[in-house]
Formats: sequence, structure tokens, C-alpha cells
Amino acid sequence: SQQGEEDPQALSIQEGENATMNCSYKTSINNLQWYRQNSGRGLVHLILIRSNEREKHSGRLRVTLDTSKKSSSLLITASRAADTASYFCATDKGNYGQNFVFGPGTRLSVLP
Amino acid sequence: DGGITQSPKYLFRKEGQNVTLSCEQNLNHDAMYWYRQDPGQGLRLIYYSQIVNDFQKGDIAEGYSVSREKKESFPLTVTSAQKNPTAFYLCASSIGAGGPNTEAFFGQGTRLTVV
Repeated sequence: SQQGEEDPQALSIQEGENATMNCSYKTSINNLQWYRQNSGRGLVHLILIRSNEREKHSGRLRVTLDTSKKSSSLLITASRAADTASYFCATDKGNYGQNFVFGPGTRLSVLP
Repeated sequence: DGGITQSPKYLFRKEGQNVTLSCEQNLNHDAMYWYRQDPGQGLRLIYYSQIVNDFQKGDIAEGYSVSREKKESFPLTVTSAQKNPTAFYLCASSIGAGGPNTEAFFGQGTRLTVV
């Protein structure tokens, strides 16, 4: 039961540029989270935005949430080669077994 | 050094064999999860557990089994009934289920290959 869908599937940018990834989901949520996965590794939590929040910042990350459109975006500013990874959104419906439903991810490549 | 540990990192299984993947956490988390990830794909939920001695099937539980006898441990057995077990398996935990600020903590994964 895939809830989130990231867009684009893959993104390639130059170092220093900004990267924007989008996530759309289908049903109402408790919160939405973004995770990063380096190749062959586990996922690392980046940021969580609650359903009553519209924007959140953490360092070079900016996340927005539009519950009316059921969508979120993750902006990484001034990207670095080390940002190369896959990025996943996960929705939390707050119900047992339906917290952390992941989309297929966006593969970001930051070229030096 | 708190965290969630999966072992082994790489595992090879012969056709018809059962194998067990280990997942241990020392974060004192109540909830634990197993996900399967295929190349270039997202995560699909296999099983989850909210508390000790309780677990529920996720979206793709067929061919898998779990136990939750201790809070710290949530091993996953891939049985011979799983027809296509080659994948990357990720274990995760969270402090509980359904809280407004709940985030998942992941292990480093086990890559299972059928030979």
C-alpha cells in the first residue's frame, strides 16, 4: 500500500545548485517525513513535518507541506557531492501499521 | 552507543533453505519493522511489531516469519516458501506507533542473495 510518490524519479545537478524533490500522497496523514539513503546503506531521517505545519527548515533543507494538494517538497540548497543519495518521503497516518509508508524515492546525483 | 544493528551484512542462501536475519536495538523502542527493498525501488513492509509478543503482517508477509520475544530483538526468517528472496532487507524501530513526532531509525541492512 504505497502512499507517497516522489517526483522526479532521478535528478542530476551541478554542485552548488539547488535540488527540489516532490512527494504526493493519497490519504490524510499525521505527519510526513523525509529520509536519505546512501547506496547500499540504511535510511537516515532528515526532517519531519506535521500535518498542521506548512514549512520547516533544517540547515540546508527546506520542507513544505500542502495538505490541500496532498503534496510535499524537499529543497536542498547549495548542493554538495556528498548529497548524492536516494531521498524518500514517508507518510505517517498515525495508525498502527500505517506509520512510515514509503514512496519509491528520488535518486539525486550531484556532480562536482 | 545507541542504535539498531542488523547482521549479517551479506547473506547467501541456497534454494530451499530457511535463513534468519538478525535485528537488535538498544534504543528502548517499542515498535520494530522489517522492510524489503528491491533494486531502484522503495521500501515494502513485511512485518511490524508494536510491543513484545505482538506482531502483524505487512503488505508482503508471504514466505516470511518473525518473532518478538524480547523488546530489543525482532528476527526475520526468510523461508523456502519465499519464491524470490534476493533483496536488501532493512530493519527499523520507533519509540512507538502513531505519535506526532515519531521517526524511524534504521539499521544498515542485510543483502540476501539466493545462490
